[in-house]
Amino acid sequence: QSVLTQPPSVSAAPGQKVTISCSGGSSNIGNNYVSWYQQLPGTAPKLLIHDNNQRPSGIPDRFSGSKSGTSATLAITGLQTGDEADYYCGTWDSRLSAGVFGGGTKLTVL
Amino acid sequence: EVQLVESGGGLVQTGRSLRLSCAGSGFTFEDYAMHWVRQPPGKGLEWVSSISWNSGSIEYADSVKGRFTISRDNAKNSLYLQMTSLRPEDTAFYFCIKDLRPLVGARFHSWGQGTLVTVSS
Repeated sequence: QSVLTQPPSVSAAPGQKVTISCSGGSSNIGNNYVSWYQQLPGTAPKLLIHDNNQRPSGIPDRFSGSKSGTSATLAITGLQTGDEADYYCGTWDSRLSAGVFGGGTKLTVL
Repeated sequence: EVQLVESGGGLVQTGRSLRLSCAGSGFTFEDYAMHWVRQPPGKGLEWVSSISWNSGSIEYADSVKGRFTISRDNAKNSLYLQMTSLRPEDTAFYFCIKDLRPLVGARFHSWGQGTLVTVSS
């Protein structure tokens, strides 16, 4: 049982937009920055978004993040087949003094 | 370019020990917090442990507290994870990660390729 809650799967057609939600509580998302990670099949995760909505260099602006209260959202526009991957949200939990992740969301581009 | 190369994984029996190492290059190692995150095959990510830039702050997941020890040697640009009393549920890919900041948090910026630890019962 993950501390952060994500939908197990989402799907959309190429070119469309998809959003992935991440729900937590006041000790984690509510008071800490959220990051998002993309894990392509057979590879290590890669940082997509940090500090709620900041993209590291090299990450296209098709990927965006937002946070409101104790929830965060990853949005991907202009979907490509290469975006098919598992996506994880993560943050720090101040009460647990621990890093926490969502269970992951599998994106299928139909 | 940031590079993180893990080593030390392998097959080990329940109750035995293993030490993972991670060699960092392409960045000023001593300026950043470092982490270990693991992923059982086919499952999700689990944070294991974090260490600040100067080893002044260290945190562990409850699942490994008292059994695993994280450490770093900034002179050698290296991160370590000493694992003792290993259990089958510790079986996972272990990733070495560089943070964006010097203090412990959860900004997992750059990831190694991972090393597989398999604990047999």
